[in-house]
Amino acid sequence: QKEVEQDPGPLSVPEGAIVSLNCTYSNSAFQYFMWYRQYSRKGPELLMYTYSSGNKEDGRFTAQVDKSSKYISLFIRDSQPSDSATYLCAMGRGAQKLVFGQGTRLTINP
Amino acid sequence: DAMVIQNPRYQVTQFGKPVTLSCSQTLNHNVMYWYQQKSSQAPKLLFHYYDKDFNNEADTPDNFQSRRPNTSFCFLDIRSPGLGDAAMYLCATSRDQPYGSPGPRQETQYFGPGTRLLVL
Repeated sequence: QKEVEQDPGPLSVPEGAIVSLNCTYSNSAFQYFMWYRQYSRKGPELLMYTYSSGNKEDGRFTAQVDKSSKYISLFIRDSQPSDSATYLCAMGRGAQKLVFGQGTRLTINP
Repeated sequence: DAMVIQNPRYQVTQFGKPVTLSCSQTLNHNVMYWYQQKSSQAPKLLFHYYDKDFNNEADTPDNFQSRRPNTSFCFLDIRSPGLGDAAMYLCATSRDQPYGSPGPRQETQYFGPGTRLLVL
């Protein structure tokens, strides 16, 4: 079993829809949770960073962490074609290493 | 703007011919990482430097080496590239707090644009 599971998709939704992206994990020691956006042939770009459980909102993006269920989510409201990318979840436990999900490929159709 | 820079963006090499990829950062971060990412896969950590201390992942082949001559620069050397080494190589940095510092210890990682390596 992988430490972090993420549905690779692809996920295709119409412009303006609410998008929900999710990861599950098995290691209860994880405390730091991140979402990265990666455009084709580019490096990952940090979108959201959350420490421990709870919600965090930044513009159209909301990150949720439920440590009791070992489940994290990223919601994108009013999705735009420019949101089309691969979204990677990542998590860490206080040392330098991050564990990444496989990434979900998202397409927003105009 | 503070950033992570990787050169070259695209590198073509021949089977078995050594190649060096470079990474520089203006963030003054003390930790630097090298990842390998193949198509539709998660980034795979090869090794990282915590300050000058080198930390190799157990499953990183000996073919991959790294150097960090100073805080700002880090190099990835592939001594004898094989066809299976064709991938995107990502450099990342973070500022890790010392033990005993207040607040969350782990800072997030900031990635460069990557170098796409092609092996002929």
